[in-house]
Amino acid sequence: DQQVKQNSPSLSVQEGRISILNCDYTNSMFDYFLWYKKYPAEGPTFLISISSIKDKNEDGRFTVFLNKSAKHLSLHIVPSQPGDSAVYFCAANSNSGYALNFGKGTSLLVTP
Amino acid sequence: SQTIHQWPATLVQPVGSPLSLECTVEGTSNPNLYWYRQAAGRGLQLLFYSVGIGQISSEVPQNLSASRPQDRQFILSSKKLLLSDSGFYLCAWSSGGEQYFGPGTRLTVT
Repeated sequence: DQQVKQNSPSLSVQEGRISILNCDYTNSMFDYFLWYKKYPAEGPTFLISISSIKDKNEDGRFTVFLNKSAKHLSLHIVPSQPGDSAVYFCAANSNSGYALNFGKGTSLLVTP
Repeated sequence: SQTIHQWPATLVQPVGSPLSLECTVEGTSNPNLYWYRQAAGRGLQLLFYSVGIGQISSEVPQNLSASRPQDRQFILSSKKLLLSDSGFYLCAWSSGGEQYFGPGTRLTVT
């Protein structure tokens, strides 16, 4: 069963605006969350992570928000740039496990 | 800095043929190593992970096997490929929470 869900398969945003990518999870044991960016025919690139002891982590244009009670996290990209166009994967794991549980990804298109 | 290599980049194999994909990591010692597969329209699925030489854990029962003959080498194999083995295979390493991925191998089984 899919423990990490990205319900929007695609998102289109204008350059300069904010991109918000959403992710929900079902396993309450997850305590570490990551976002990866993937271009076609390449491996995913790690973007940003957040531990369950925090509710926000920021790195440049990228901010991840975690709402533990709702089992929801989001990635904000501000301002969005055409080079941000890629598939974004949300992932989660627990302290007791090695596996990263991935969502199916959201394809972001940033238009000029 | 750490780098991770995978080869080949693309592979087309007939059904029933064997498979060997190789992954090597540089710049780190005793990493955890992982094999993932991304099938068309699906997310990344963990196939195997290894916490040390000769130590392999399988996450999903299937037609594939993995081996770790050296600290920084991870091999994915199959004796007889199935059509359903087609996909994008990714090797990854970690030494903490984040996992870092290689460039991937696109496998098409015909």
